[in-house]
Amino acid sequence: KQEVTQIPAALSVPEGENLVLNCSFTDSAIYNLQWFRQDPGKGLTSLLLIQSSQREQTSGRLNASLDKSSGRSTLYIAASQPGDSATYLCAVSTGGFKTIFGAGTRLFVKA
Amino acid sequence: EPEVTQTPSHQVTQMGQEVILRCVPISNHLYFYWYRQILGQKVEFLVSFYNNEISEKSEIFDDQFSVERPDGSNFTLKIRSTKLEDSAMYFCASRSGLNTEAFFGQGTRLTVV
Repeated sequence: KQEVTQIPAALSVPEGENLVLNCSFTDSAIYNLQWFRQDPGKGLTSLLLIQSSQREQTSGRLNASLDKSSGRSTLYIAASQPGDSATYLCAVSTGGFKTIFGAGTRLFVKA
Repeated sequence: EPEVTQTPSHQVTQMGQEVILRCVPISNHLYFYWYRQILGQKVEFLVSFYNNEISEKSEIFDDQFSVERPDGSNFTLKIRSTKLEDSAMYFCASRSGLNTEAFFGQGTRLTVV
C-alpha cells in the first residue's frame, strides 16, 4: 500500500531564504508525482508535475526533483517571499486513476 | 485560464439527507475525480471517472456515494444519506491525460448537523 510522507510538517523561514521541502513514498512504481500549494480554506493549486521518467521540473523559483529508486522527491523554493506562505502537498499517482497525498508541509515566510 | 468550478461553496445539511455536489471540469479533460479533506487531515481519494464509468474507487466510496456525468459538462457526487462524519471539504479535479497535471476546484465545504 502506497504511503506518502512529508518532512518537515511545518517550517518557518525569513524572507529571501532558499528552502527544500521533502516528500517520500513507499512504493517506487509510480506514474507521476505532483506538487500542490494549498492556502487556508482553499483549493489546491498545481505547482509542478514530474512524470516517472523525468528527474526534475522547473517553474520560476520552483524546482522539483524525483528519485524513484529511493522513493523521494524534493521541492526547492528559491528566494522565498511572504506570499509563498501556504501548505505544500506532495501527491503520488499510482497508475493514473488514484492519487495518494502526503499530509503537507506548512510553510511560513517571515517578512 | 480554464478552471474547475464547484458549487455550492458551502452546504449545510441535516443528518440523513441526500446531497449533491456539483462540478464543472475543464472542457477538454477526460479524467474526473472526487477527493475529500476532513478538517486538519490529509486529502483523500474517493473516486475516479473515465469514459462514463468509475475507473477506481477507495474504501471510503461505499454504497452511500455515487457519481454521475449527466451531460457533457457537469460531474456530480451524490451522498444518499449523510452522516456526521461526512462533514469535510470535497474537491473535484480533472485532467486531460493520465500523465498530465490534475487541476482542482475550490471545493465544497459540507457540514452535516
